[in-house]
Amino acid sequence: RKEVEQDPGPFNVPEGATVAFNCTYSNSASQSFFWYRQDCRKEPKLLMSVYSSGNEDGRFTAQLNRASQYISLLIRDSKLSDSATYLCVARKGGNKLTFGTGTQLKVEL
Amino acid sequence: EPEVTQTPSHQVTQMGQEVILRCVPISNHLYFYWYRQILGQKVEFLVSFYNNEISEKSEIFDDQFSVERPDGSNFTLKIRSTKLEDSAMYFCASSEHDSYGYTFGSGTRLTVV
Repeated sequence: RKEVEQDPGPFNVPEGATVAFNCTYSNSASQSFFWYRQDCRKEPKLLMSVYSSGNEDGRFTAQLNRASQYISLLIRDSKLSDSATYLCVARKGGNKLTFGTGTQLKVEL
Repeated sequence: EPEVTQTPSHQVTQMGQEVILRCVPISNHLYFYWYRQILGQKVEFLVSFYNNEISEKSEIFDDQFSVERPDGSNFTLKIRSTKLEDSAMYFCASSEHDSYGYTFGSGTRLTVV
C-alpha cells in the first residue's frame, strides 16, 4: 500500500467552481501534513500546513482526520491560475517528507 | 522573498561520469535536503543534512551518492558514476526548523545518456 495515496485526476472544473481533493496516508505515526502545489516541470511550493482543527487560507481550506488517516483540500471560487498538480505530503518525524503522486487540477473558462 | 538557488538548471552527462549538483540554501536555514523526481513520478526523498552531517537517507541514496557543505553557503550532491536511471529532476530544499515546511529550489534536470 502506498504511504500517501491520492486520486491522480485530472479534475477539470469551470472557473468559479469549488473543488475538493482527498488524500489518505497509511502510516499512523505520521505527525505533520502539508499540501504543496507543483506546476509543470517546476518545484513543489508549500501551499499550506494541515492541522487537526482544520485551517483556512483565503480560498483554500485543509482538513485532517487522524482517526481515518485522511486529509482534504477544498478550493473555493477556483481561478485559471489554480491549474496545477496538488501534492499531499506527510512527515512521520525527523525531516523526511513523503509525497503522494499528486492530483492534477485544470480550471477552464 | 528568500529563495533556494540551484545550478545548473539542466545537465547532460554520459553514463559513468561524475556529476555535482549545486545548491545555495536560504541563509538562516539549518536543515538541508535533496529530493528527486523522475519524469511522471512522485517526488522522492534522498537525504537530509543537519549540523554538517547526514541525519537521514533513503534506500535510493546508495554509495554512489554523497553530499557536502563545503563552505557556509553551498550544499552539493555528487553522483559518482551516473546510470541511465539517475535521469531525473533533482530538487534541493532547506528549512529553518525540522518541523517547518520546506522551501524548494527550482531544480536541476539531470539527463544521463
